[in-house]
Amino acid sequence: EDQVTQSPEALRLQEGESSSLNCSYTVSGLRGLFWYRQDPGKGPEFLFTLYSAGEEKEKERLKATLTKKESFLHITAPKPEDSATYLCAVQASGNTPLVFGKGTRLSVIA
Amino acid sequence: KAGVTQTPRYLIKTRGQQVTLSCSPISGHRSVSWYQQTPGQGLQFLFEYFSETQRNKGNFPGRFSGRQFSNSRSEMNVSTLELGDSALYLCASSYRTISTDTQYFGPGTRLTVL
Repeated sequence: EDQVTQSPEALRLQEGESSSLNCSYTVSGLRGLFWYRQDPGKGPEFLFTLYSAGEEKEKERLKATLTKKESFLHITAPKPEDSATYLCAVQASGNTPLVFGKGTRLSVIA
Repeated sequence: KAGVTQTPRYLIKTRGQQVTLSCSPISGHRSVSWYQQTPGQGLQFLFEYFSETQRNKGNFPGRFSGRQFSNSRSEMNVSTLELGDSALYLCASSYRTISTDTQYFGPGTRLTVL
């Protein structure tokens, strides 16, 4: 069974304090790993898709990396507007649905 | 390009009633997936439709059903509502290519069952 575990569940950072969020996964044949950002009461907003180990993608203060067993979302010099829940999901090969982790709730304090 | 739209945004129902939620995907997207999100369980997959056919189904009771129309718009129906059905229901659309299969989410419908 495909599984996704995100850690930590919650993270509180001071503005400018860089850190990483972890997404560990087990999947039978990875088609893609996805990162989303979700603000309270809203739908998840797409951030990145990673397809193979060693791949990296960046967007503003965010950088996602992928290994064969986990993905990291690095947040460099975060700002209060980066506060949100960050969700990780995996999709196995074939027409299979996404499997989501429970998310990391990030709070950035000014 | 307009994003995924969902209607209504908020619903309040009582136990035993039924409800229909609607989703309009991004133009050109043929796949629509539905998810239930609760604080305890996170995002759980309900079903996926592609070209009017159900392609995948999650582990939910038969009270949850859906359909997709020829214009790719989708509806989901929940019959005989229970208190535990209170959740944010999210719809996502995607356009699969060889290199990408990213799902884009709508704002969700917040369902409260009293």
